[in-house]
Amino acid sequence: AQSVTQLGSHVSVSEGALVLLRCNYSSSVPPYLFWYVQYPNQGLQLLLKYTTGATLVKGINGFEAEFKKSETSFHLTKPSAHMSDAAEYFCAVRKTGANNLFFGTGTRLTVIP
Amino acid sequence: DAGVIQSPRHEVTEMGQEVTLRCKPISGHNSLFWYRQTMMRGLELLIYFNNNVPIDDSGMPEDRFSAKMPNASFSTLKIQPSEPRDSAVYFCASSFDASNQPQHFGDGTRLSIL
Repeated sequence: AQSVTQLGSHVSVSEGALVLLRCNYSSSVPPYLFWYVQYPNQGLQLLLKYTTGATLVKGINGFEAEFKKSETSFHLTKPSAHMSDAAEYFCAVRKTGANNLFFGTGTRLTVIP
Repeated sequence: DAGVIQSPRHEVTEMGQEVTLRCKPISGHNSLFWYRQTMMRGLELLIYFNNNVPIDDSGMPEDRFSAKMPNASFSTLKIQPSEPRDSAVYFCASSFDASNQPQHFGDGTRLSIL
């Protein structure tokens, strides 16, 4: 069975500080992994994805994530938070050969000026 | 390029009324997904289609909910009769038929049942 755990439903950081949003997955086979961002009153927007190849994946808006198979993790980071990064972030996993995504419960990021 | 288009953006109606939500997927995508988002339950997959055929509707809450995809460029999600607990934001997403491809989401329909 697929599942995704996002530790911390709310994370607050100061502007300019490191952003770290945690995601762990459980999967019987290596999955495909995604991070999405949701701004207020909008749909989910793809930030980045890991399918195969390099385990450090770069996405939009300066975000990146590293796939660590030994830790079954796919944490999202950004070196320096910007006020515009305030949003809700969702980690999702998709099993090889499957169509549907399994989403985590989301982490709301607040950026403090 | 046009993304996933949903209509209406907002719907307010009284309980017992029929509600129809509409979705136009991205051209060329052959998988379509309907999700519901609430504070209590988060993001839930209701149903998804592949090549216009429903593949998994196990997330549809009850018989009051139905979804159709008559062609590759249009899908509807219908609730009849509607109840206050159906109030949520409903998202449609589409993707290419491959598990390494991301889903692209519409902006959602915010549904309020009074």
